[in-house]
Amino acid sequence: GAVVSQHPSRVICKSGTSVKIECRSLDFQATTMFWYRQFPKQSLMLMATSNEGSKATYEQGVEKDKFLINHASLTLSTLTVTSAHPEDSSFYICSAGDRGALDNSPLHFGNGTRLTVT
Amino acid sequence: QKEVEQNSGPLSVPEGAIASLNCTYSDRGSQSFFWYRQYSGKSPELIMFIYSNGDKEDGRFTAQLNKASQYVSLLIRDSQPSDSATYLCAVNMSPSSASKIIFGSGTRLSIRP
Repeated sequence: GAVVSQHPSRVICKSGTSVKIECRSLDFQATTMFWYRQFPKQSLMLMATSNEGSKATYEQGVEKDKFLINHASLTLSTLTVTSAHPEDSSFYICSAGDRGALDNSPLHFGNGTRLTVT
Repeated sequence: QKEVEQNSGPLSVPEGAIASLNCTYSDRGSQSFFWYRQYSGKSPELIMFIYSNGDKEDGRFTAQLNKASQYVSLLIRDSQPSDSATYLCAVNMSPSSASKIIFGSGTRLSIRP
């Protein structure tokens, strides 16, 4: 089955620093990847849609200058949390759909990155 | 109105019984529907997906879709303690290839031995 790899799985950083999270599709090509954020005991909230070769589409309320997304190839998207603050501490999860599958095929999720900003 | 609504639970079901999880969605044009299971601290894992009205069975799981009522459900037969998790209903809100999937808030299911 389709595999999405996300790295790192856990990161602790100091307030004001930037953190980069990578999301790779290992056995399929993904023109579109999605970035979600999940706070404790809450559901997944879509942050942005990452489009290969073009700008990401951000959901309302998500600061594009703070959460930088780059989708330079069909197998890699990165999310950079810039100038992180404690309120950015959360579980970040990427997902992707198989480009070769149906347009409405399920998403496959990475294992998530737990970010803690001190 | 939320785009995808679920009862947060917790839903407590005795081992061996049928667990019934429900979900409603707001976009009548939605085309595809998914159920994910999420254990605490882990990423969601796909349980089932359904595109057409009616029932779809896979092992102990049955997904049911009623587009007229904008309702999708998941039945888990012969519930096991390992089924205890949060179940997320997800809906593809648009039929386009770049469409996004919106999640409900999840229902916590607890299977008691």
